[in-house]
Amino acid sequence: RKEVEQDPGPFNVPEGATVAFNCTYSNSASQSFFWYRQDCRKEPKLLMSVYSSGNEDGRFTAQLNRASQYISLLIRDSKLSDSATYLCVVTNNAGNMLTFGGGTRLMVKP
Amino acid sequence: DTAVSQTPKYLVTQMGNDKSIKCEQNLGHDTMYWYKQDSKKFLKIMFSYNNKELIINETVPNRFSPKSPDKAHLNLHINSLELGDSAVYFCASSHGTSGGFTDTQYFGPGTRLTVL
Repeated sequence: RKEVEQDPGPFNVPEGATVAFNCTYSNSASQSFFWYRQDCRKEPKLLMSVYSSGNEDGRFTAQLNRASQYISLLIRDSKLSDSATYLCVVTNNAGNMLTFGGGTRLMVKP
Repeated sequence: DTAVSQTPKYLVTQMGNDKSIKCEQNLGHDTMYWYKQDSKKFLKIMFSYNNKELIINETVPNRFSPKSPDKAHLNLHINSLELGDSAVYFCASSHGTSGGFTDTQYFGPGTRLTVL
């Protein structure tokens, strides 16, 4: 089992749609969780951290379920500019090792 | 102002050659990293340096040698390049004073290495 698993997609959605991605991780002692965004042929950039209580940033909502070992990202009212690959990122229990998932590709169409 | 810069952006070379990639950050961060992103888009940590000291070396062949002349620079030298080294190499930095990964990572634009 991979340490961090994501559905590679692509998820093709129309503008305005709501889309959700899940990510599962294998290390139950993982400490910190993040979503990064990577545009085609660009570098990854932090989208948001994921907190145990769940957190929201505008149209983006992240949730963490430690019991089931997954994190999710919900995007409401999708925009064309949301088209990108979304990377799930998990640290180990000591917080000194970062593992990236393979990414989920989102394509928002007019 | 570029926060994390890498040179060159593209590197095409023959098998067996030795090449270097340079990285500089002007964010005042204490920790710098090298990542490799392969053709399947998996991003994997290679090295982590904190204040010029090696913190993490993740089962990377010893043909890869990072060098940190100061905490704002982390260069990557690769000896005897192989076909499998073809990938995009990203430099990154974070504030982390202890080499921890919980701080936001700021990535450079990447260096696309092609070994022929």
